[in-house]
Amino acid sequence: DAGVIQSPRHEVTEMGQEVTLRCKPISGHDYLFWYRQTMMRGLELLIYFNNNVPIDDSGMPEDRFSAKMPNASFSTLKIQPSEPRDSAVYFCASCRPPGELFFGEGSRLTVL
Amino acid sequence: QQQVKQSPQSLIVQKGGISIINCAYENTAFDYFPWYQQFPGKGPALLIAIRPDVSEKKEGRFTISFNKSAKQFSLHIMDSQPGDSATYFCAASISGYALNFGKGTSLLVTP
Repeated sequence: DAGVIQSPRHEVTEMGQEVTLRCKPISGHDYLFWYRQTMMRGLELLIYFNNNVPIDDSGMPEDRFSAKMPNASFSTLKIQPSEPRDSAVYFCASCRPPGELFFGEGSRLTVL
Repeated sequence: QQQVKQSPQSLIVQKGGISIINCAYENTAFDYFPWYQQFPGKGPALLIAIRPDVSEKKEGRFTISFNKSAKQFSLHIMDSQPGDSATYFCAASISGYALNFGKGTSLLVTP
């Protein structure tokens, strides 16, 4: 199995630009999670899906953030407009219900 | 609000020594307590996990100790090796969903 695949691995953009991060979960996993990692706040849960339906988005910082899961094999996290404080590593993870989370290698976002 | 508090923030241990990382939680509904290990440039990976019906779980050199009444749990790494140098995260959740992570402990094992 290829594991959770995230793209891009690195993104550098300017403040105000739209950023789209992508994730392909492990086949057969019903749950998909988006986490954000910073030195100050550690790993924060942003949103998670079950069978492509958003279950809890209370961790999404503000309306500039949105996430979608149009099908079982693809999810996006979008930031529009981006701000420097959004700079972080964004992780996607998936699992069968419930149990071990399998993380991707992350997307490192830098907003200048 | 951090639902899981982890300490220390960083730890240096000599090869062969014991590494101990502690975590505390408030939500008594939590019933799943995993530890994740993260190497630089990689995503976290599950190391070991425990449920509150047992007080200890051991897998190789890694042991979780769990104190339900104190709402605390800890990771012990016996015979620490330089290859164990990584960041360790404790976490807690209800029924294994939506993990709440501690802020992490950066472990360095010196030769």
